[in-house]
Amino acid sequence: EVRLVQSGAEVKKPGESLKISCQGSGYSFTSYWIAWVRQMPGKGLEWMGIIYPGDSDTRYSPSFQGQVTMSADKSLSTAYLQWTSQQASDTAMYYCAKIVAGTRTSAFDIWGQGTMVTVSS
Amino acid sequence: QSALTQPPSASGSPGQSVTISCTGTSSDVGGYNYVSWYQQHPGKAPKLMIYEVSKRPSGVPDRFSGSKSGNTASLTVSGLQADDEADYYCSSYAGTNNLVFGGGTKLTVL
Repeated sequence: EVRLVQSGAEVKKPGESLKISCQGSGYSFTSYWIAWVRQMPGKGLEWMGIIYPGDSDTRYSPSFQGQVTMSADKSLSTAYLQWTSQQASDTAMYYCAKIVAGTRTSAFDIWGQGTMVTVSS
Repeated sequence: QSALTQPPSASGSPGQSVTISCTGTSSDVGGYNYVSWYQQHPGKAPKLMIYEVSKRPSGVPDRFSGSKSGNTASLTVSGLQADDEADYYCSSYAGTNNLVFGGGTKLTVL
């Protein structure tokens, strides 16, 4: 079974750093792009960017460039999303998703369960 | 990049058909055949229902269909069932390093 399993919920204070994870299984993790998607409470989906675990090629949405860093560890079949200094506006559910090959990285067929990040003083 | 425009809500009775629209521009929906649709039940992760405008992933019922005309894509759900009640989001490739989602449509089965 193809799965993406994300790390658990986090509660952070403003200014703290954070790294959340997304572990793939059941497929060749290094052969498919992974996307990160934000969903703020009660709001819609926002595309943050993508990473190719095979060579860590990374593309960021202009809205998130410089705000977050995407990385991957091939040996652990795990992708990461990290912040150096969180803000209250980062409070959201964050999803990772596997991208369907050949779709110009536009379609996400397998999703993680989501990681809820709460930033509050 | 602005979000794609979807109606906030749509509704239909069991067995009926409902169509949800997704309007963009020639830089996204109108410029590429890379429109996807996702279903999201409350508290759950989104699920891919349609990709590349009209293709269905394995396991998605053929009651779900997609189409596109100009800058507007559409998702049609036929034979509405109670479990179809969910939020639906469209997305479109919008050029290098860019993908945009719609604001979402809440589908209610009456």
